[in-house]
Amino acid sequence: NAGVMQNPRHLVRRRGQEARLRCSPMKGHSHVYWYRQLPEEGLKFMVYLQKENIIDESGMPKERFSAEFPKEGPSILRIQQVVRGDSAAYFCASSPRRAADTQYFGPGTRLTVL
Amino acid sequence: AQSVTQLDSHVSVSEGTPVLLRCNYSSSYSPSLFWYVQHPNKGLQLLLKYTSAATLVKGINGFEAEFKKSETSFHLTKPSAHMSDAAEYFCVVSPSITGANSKLTFGKGITLSVRP
Repeated sequence: NAGVMQNPRHLVRRRGQEARLRCSPMKGHSHVYWYRQLPEEGLKFMVYLQKENIIDESGMPKERFSAEFPKEGPSILRIQQVVRGDSAAYFCASSPRRAADTQYFGPGTRLTVL
Repeated sequence: AQSVTQLDSHVSVSEGTPVLLRCNYSSSYSPSLFWYVQHPNKGLQLLLKYTSAATLVKGINGFEAEFKKSETSFHLTKPSAHMSDAAEYFCVVSPSITGANSKLTFGKGITLSVRP
C-alpha cells in the first residue's frame, strides 16, 4: 500500500508564475489536508478537502491560493502569481475519516520562488 | 481553540543517554495528541498518538509519551538515544470530537542533536 504521494518534490518558479502542487492520498483515504511549513517553523494548516468538497479553508490565504480534490485524480494546490514569500515546503496529508484520525503525510513539495 | 508550546527549540544529548522533549498543550476539548518526527528533507512520520485510552503511549523506535491532564503536558521520552534519532520533532494537537474542524495544530518543533 503506497503512502501519500506528492509531486513534484521540488519546484522552482519565478515571481508571477503559477505553481501547481499535486497530492495523491493513500489508497482508501478520502480526506486530504494541506499544510505549509515556512523555514524554521512548524506546519500551518491551510485547507481540508474531501472528494469534490472543500470542508475547511480557514488557513488559506485569501488571494492567489486555491485547492481542489476532484472525483478522479489527485488533489491540487494551486498558487497563482507566486511571490518570494510563497517559498516553503507544502505538505499533504490524508486520512480515511475525519476528526481525530491519524493523518499520514507525504514527503512534501519544496517550492522556491526566484 | 487549541495550541501547542514546545519551549525548547534545540536539545542536544549524547548517544546512549535519555531523551526528553517537552510539550504543553491547550485545548477547549479533550484532545488527541501526536508526536511526529521529520528527518532532514523528508516528510513527517508518526511516532505515537494519544486518543484518551492509556495515558502512557508507546511509539515506534523506543519512544514513549505520557499524557498528564493536570499538567497539560505530553512529553516525549526515550531511554537511550541513537545517532539516527537526530531530527526535528513536532508535538501536535487535534480536537478529538467529530466535527468539521479536523486540522492539526503543530508546535514549532524541537531539533534533537545526538553527540557521539
